[in-house]
Amino acid sequence: QKEVEQDPGPLSVPEGAIVSLNCTYSNSAFQYFMWYRQYSRKGPELLMYTYSSGNKEDGRFTAQVDKSSKYISLFIRDSQPSDSATYLCAMSAHSSASKIIFGSGTRLSIRP
Amino acid sequence: SAVISQKPSRDICQRGTSLTIQCQVDSQVTMMFWYRQQPGQSLTLIATANQGSEATYESGFVIDKFPISRPNLTFSTLTVSNMSPEDSSIYLCSVEWGHLSTEAFFGQGTRLTVV
Repeated sequence: QKEVEQDPGPLSVPEGAIVSLNCTYSNSAFQYFMWYRQYSRKGPELLMYTYSSGNKEDGRFTAQVDKSSKYISLFIRDSQPSDSATYLCAMSAHSSASKIIFGSGTRLSIRP
Repeated sequence: SAVISQKPSRDICQRGTSLTIQCQVDSQVTMMFWYRQQPGQSLTLIATANQGSEATYESGFVIDKFPISRPNLTFSTLTVSNMSPEDSSIYLCSVEWGHLSTEAFFGQGTRLTVV
């Protein structure tokens, strides 16, 4: 079993829809949770960063962490075609970027 | 955040040859990382490069195959040696932003095809 599981998609939704992206994990020691967005032929860019449980909101993006269920989510409101990308969840038990475990990514397409 | 420039952005190489990938950061950073990203798979850490010391390799990766240099706090290179088609992948440079931070920033990647 992988430490981090992420549905690869692809996920296709119409413009304006609410998108829900999810990851599950098995290591209860994870306490740092991140979402990266990766456009085609580009490197991943850090989108959201959460420490421990709870919600974090940034514009149209909301990250949720449920440590009791070992489940994290990224919600995108009012989705735009420019949101079309691969979204990778990532997490770590340590305060060091050398210990980050990445999901395999979900490919998202927003239809105009 | 750091601005990371990676060269080349892509290359097609003959098997048996070597390719050196360069990573330049616009700020001094302690830790730099090299990742491999294969289609449909998660990012896999190859090694951590610290200035002034040998790189630390992850399980499954060895220095003879992936030699790394880190001559200063803003630059690193990764060489993919004696390439085979299985080495075809995207190679990414990353830096840790801030000390003891899980915030990692990435270059745009090098798309390598070995024929």
